[in-house]
Amino acid sequence: DAGVTQSPTHLIKTRGQQVTLRCSPKSGHDTVSWYQQALGQGPQFIFQYYEEEERQRGNFPDRFSGHQFPNYSSELNVNALLLGDSALYLCASSLEGPYGYGYTFGSGTRLTVV
Amino acid sequence: GQSLEQPSEVTAVEGAIVQINCTYQTSGFYGLSWYQQHDGGAPTFLSYNALDGLEETGRFSSFLSRSDSYGYLLLQELQMKDSASYFCAVRDYAGNTPLVFGKGTRLSVIA
Repeated sequence: DAGVTQSPTHLIKTRGQQVTLRCSPKSGHDTVSWYQQALGQGPQFIFQYYEEEERQRGNFPDRFSGHQFPNYSSELNVNALLLGDSALYLCASSLEGPYGYGYTFGSGTRLTVV
Repeated sequence: GQSLEQPSEVTAVEGAIVQINCTYQTSGFYGLSWYQQHDGGAPTFLSYNALDGLEETGRFSSFLSRSDSYGYLLLQELQMKDSASYFCAVRDYAGNTPLVFGKGTRLSVIA
């Protein structure tokens, strides 16, 4: 049973560019959440997708956007990249409902903005 | 909003017991979770407490006191491979409200 798959694993971009990160959730999971993790910090919630809709959003600017597809996979897009966007981007999948407390995380995409 | 406090670093000896505390402030509360993350790896789910008391899973136990807005993760018979960062996380309502994570506790196990 495959877990959460994220691609690419590493990425280097220049300031001002745009980036798209991809996530395939664990089989059977229908909800995808995206987190940003700076070095030495806890994951910070970006947004969550369920039924192809953005359901909740954290304190991130509109430069951060996403999408969920009918097969539950998801993309995170970041426009006009800033140096401060350099971080590990984690995708977590879960199952809708009160028992969906156990998130399964992917290994993340390490984004470096230069 | 929510906030969680946990120690930034803990060091313990191999074979010993260590306790990592977490205090939280949330508008509502629907459970405290613990995750482990090795350097360069993905966070992995360890345990979940929705009700007061102790939950045991092998060498790991987690405790919750809702009246004190407090929980802890207890690791017994420490092994070198337990060296990692440990995060507490809360959800404030039922359903799939997102997890909010603490800043993490870096555990170093020494010989």
